[in-house]
Amino acid sequence: EIVLTQSPATLSLSPGERATLSCRASESVSNYLAWYQQKPGQAPRLLIYDAFNRATGIPARFSGSGSGTDFTLTISSLEPEDFAVYYCQQRSNWPLTFGGGTKVEIK
Amino acid sequence: QVQLVQSGAEVKKPGASVKVSCKASGYSFTGKYMEWVRQAPGQGLEWMGRINPNTGGTDFAQKFQGRVTMTRDTSINTAYMELSRLTSDDTAVYYCARGRLGGTTDFDYWGQGSLVTVSS
Repeated sequence: EIVLTQSPATLSLSPGERATLSCRASESVSNYLAWYQQKPGQAPRLLIYDAFNRATGIPARFSGSGSGTDFTLTISSLEPEDFAVYYCQQRSNWPLTFGGGTKVEIK
Repeated sequence: QVQLVQSGAEVKKPGASVKVSCKASGYSFTGKYMEWVRQAPGQGLEWMGRINPNTGGTDFAQKFQGRVTMTRDTSINTAYMELSRLTSDDTAVYYCARGRLGGTTDFDYWGQGSLVTVSS
């Protein structure tokens, strides 16, 4: 199965700062990579699909890039509501797999 | 608006089975796969499998083959996930999620989650 490795495990930033999250795949997933945000006690929310497409209702401060094995989620300027855990997920091959997550916490 | 509403929390003994329901509304239930994802306490997300509500066809992660059953009732727009031979490792929040696409997919709408606790 395809293993997704996210880094860093924790990112400590202040509101207004730029967040850069990484997801690396154990083999090429083309551009079939999604990003989710999860807040405590809530279900994940789809942010980005197919590497760079924002899902419905997602603010423009969220952007995705990358292809093949290396992907990045960028939050251009952190809002208070953006502090959460972020997961990547590949749909290149079965089984569908997720990364271990990056927690974005308030510095 | 799309909504997925799941059944409530369950406590089960080791060796028992649990059945979680997911009622869909706001879209054509038979037009999208229903996927199941679980999350152990403090851990990441794990895809379990999916059901095609139109045909009843299923696909499962190998890890759960033989232990999971997914069914649906199209008359009430509800999908079900049943997991048998529970152990403490199955303690988790179980989510249903709508597959955005028909083949390999990501998940565009999620239920609120159903906590299953396995304890003697």
